[in-house]
Amino acid sequence: QSALTQPPSASGSLGQSVTISCTGTSNDIGNYNYVSWYQHLPGTVPKLLISEVNKRPSGVPDRFSGSKSANTASLTVSGLQAEDEADYYCSSYAGENWVFGGGTKLTVL
Amino acid sequence: QVQLQQSGPGLVKPSQTLSLTCVISGDSVSSNTAAWHWVRQSPVRGFEWLGKTSYRSRWYYHYGPSVKSRLAINPDTSKNQYSLHLNSVTPEDTAVYYCARGWGYAFESWGQGIMVTVSS
Repeated sequence: QSALTQPPSASGSLGQSVTISCTGTSNDIGNYNYVSWYQHLPGTVPKLLISEVNKRPSGVPDRFSGSKSANTASLTVSGLQAEDEADYYCSSYAGENWVFGGGTKLTVL
Repeated sequence: QVQLQQSGPGLVKPSQTLSLTCVISGDSVSSNTAAWHWVRQSPVRGFEWLGKTSYRSRWYYHYGPSVKSRLAINPDTSKNQYSLHLNSVTPEDTAVYYCARGWGYAFESWGQGIMVTVSS
């Protein structure tokens, strides 16, 4: 069982927005602004989308955004595109340890 | 652009040691700003952080609680690579193993992953 809790699935129509939550505790998300999000397509390696709660690495579209409130972090994907269909994972620094969510499968309708 | 190339066996027998190598290009294992991690993913346990090494005037090593007593991560500056050595493996160690470059507190670049099965 993963340390961070994500919904197993989420869906949205083309062009719409969807938000994926990631719930941890005061030992991880609640104590550090070091939440990151990854996109994982079958047969590929995970791709960093968001670091430090809401920072986008170069090359990541601004359709992807992150936020945090207390022990819960969120990833919002705006203007859904077909290529956004993938698994999304959150991760948080937890004091010389990193923990992950179980992943959310995003379906674009 | 940083690239990580992993190598190692796909099958390990129970009680033996699992050894994997990650060759770095585009950066240095002795970088004063990056960290070099190992992460694994299995259907049962999901993603699990195993450990990291980093160089900040000296080498530092940090290991995850689930493997702390069995894991060693070794940097090799002459080959610009680092390795994972996980001893006393059991079938529960069956997973896809990834090396990853840490930048800040995120995993910025990932190796291609190696599926390792622990079975006799």
